[in-house]
Amino acid sequence: GDSVTQMEGPVTLSEEAFLTINCTYTATGYPSLFWYVQYPGEGLQLLLKATKADDKGSNKGFEATYRKETTSFHLEKGSVQVSDSAVYFCALSAGSYIPTFGRGTSLIVHP
Amino acid sequence: EAQVTQNPRYLITVTGKKLTVTCSQNMNHEYMSWYRQDPGLGLRQIYYSMNVEVTDKGDVPEGYKVSRKEKRNFPLILESPSPNQTSLYFCASSSPGQGVNQPQHFGDGTRLSIL
Repeated sequence: GDSVTQMEGPVTLSEEAFLTINCTYTATGYPSLFWYVQYPGEGLQLLLKATKADDKGSNKGFEATYRKETTSFHLEKGSVQVSDSAVYFCALSAGSYIPTFGRGTSLIVHP
Repeated sequence: EAQVTQNPRYLITVTGKKLTVTCSQNMNHEYMSWYRQDPGLGLRQIYYSMNVEVTDKGDVPEGYKVSRKEKRNFPLILESPSPNQTSLYFCASSSPGQGVNQPQHFGDGTRLSIL
């Protein structure tokens, strides 16, 4: 079946550091890929998405590129802020609208 | 405003006392689902519904019931709650009508504590 693997956290960074959260997937067909963010005390909200190979999703300074050859969708940000502290979920949806989520990666950014 | 609304946000109750967590969406979405979130386990799907009167088990359905009598509502029912159902619960919805593989819209969560 479909699966998503993302790096375990927590990831702890200082403000203005570069962020990478790795995400790899297995799926049949051609999935759409998503990153969701969950701020403390809130539900998940869509951060960015990509629907086909080589697409780059971007939002709020975050980027991720759909790499079919490596089945990856790594999340990056050039300069993190304290307000980026949250849990980040990688997810895919392939052929239906039932998504598969990774386990989430907690990001802690210190001033 | 487009939203998924869950109630209650917090509930502390006792073993065996039936409870219902309501979920309502105002986006006319066909697909709705329930997840529980536990430390170290990520999101696990409990039940989902593709449309009115159509429900299916997710990965962890034991001890839960759902119904989908109306498109906008998808309540989660715990007939006889037990302490291992203490968790953070999320309702989500989406619509394939806008194209395949649309993102999910999540509620703000319901934190249940079963004593």
